Amino acid sequence: DSGVTQTPKHLITATGQRVTLRCSPRSGDLSVYWYQQSLDQGLQFLIHYYNGEERAKGNILERFSAQQFPDLHSELNLSSLELGDSALYFCASSVGVADTQYFGPGTRLTVL
Amino acid sequence: AQSVTQLGSHVSVSEGALVLLRCNYSSSVPPYLFWYVQYPNQGLQLLLKYTSAATLVKGINGFEAEFKKSETSFHLTKPSAHMSDAAEYFCAVSGALGNNDMRFGAGTRLTVKP
Repeated sequence: DSGVTQTPKHLITATGQRVTLRCSPRSGDLSVYWYQQSLDQGLQFLIHYYNGEERAKGNILERFSAQQFPDLHSELNLSSLELGDSALYFCASSVGVADTQYFGPGTRLTVL
Repeated sequence: AQSVTQLGSHVSVSEGALVLLRCNYSSSVPPYLFWYVQYPNQGLQLLLKYTSAATLVKGINGFEAEFKKSETSFHLTKPSAHMSDAAEYFCAVSGALGNNDMRFGAGTRLTVKP
């Protein structure tokens, strides 16, 4: 158990819908990262927040957005969902901005 | 910008045999290098990391990796494979300071035969 929690574990929805994935970092960690893992794209870095502020952006679509709240939990919002958005979404956390990242168990999103 | 290449998407070894998973990196700054393992239906777990200290890094479960700057490599090894080592292994690189934008390799699936 890494100490990073993600909810929900599974999510099934339809195309065009919007979903929110939630992540709680390890106690004391200020950084939260989001990744997408799919069969065709592999593990892709989406976005990094540090202490409430966006720190870095990776291959994140405009339909996706994220935020980190004052209590340091983070949410990833996915809108106008497409079949190709079906994937595992991982959250990771670290103490600072250049420290080891610890991964949560992931949320499996299925878009029908 | 950083990137890693993992050579071989699938590696199969016999139980008790040497495990060697290959990773080459590209980085414009001194890199931090990582190996993660992912068991089926689970998240990624850190095996070991290199952060410019000793070039031979020992990790959990008997794994180790050696940083070779001249070869830009960070191969993962284990002297004797165990059935429980069957999993997907990811090599990753990030910049040393500032932006911790970690880039992962495509992964290598390790199969261990009895």
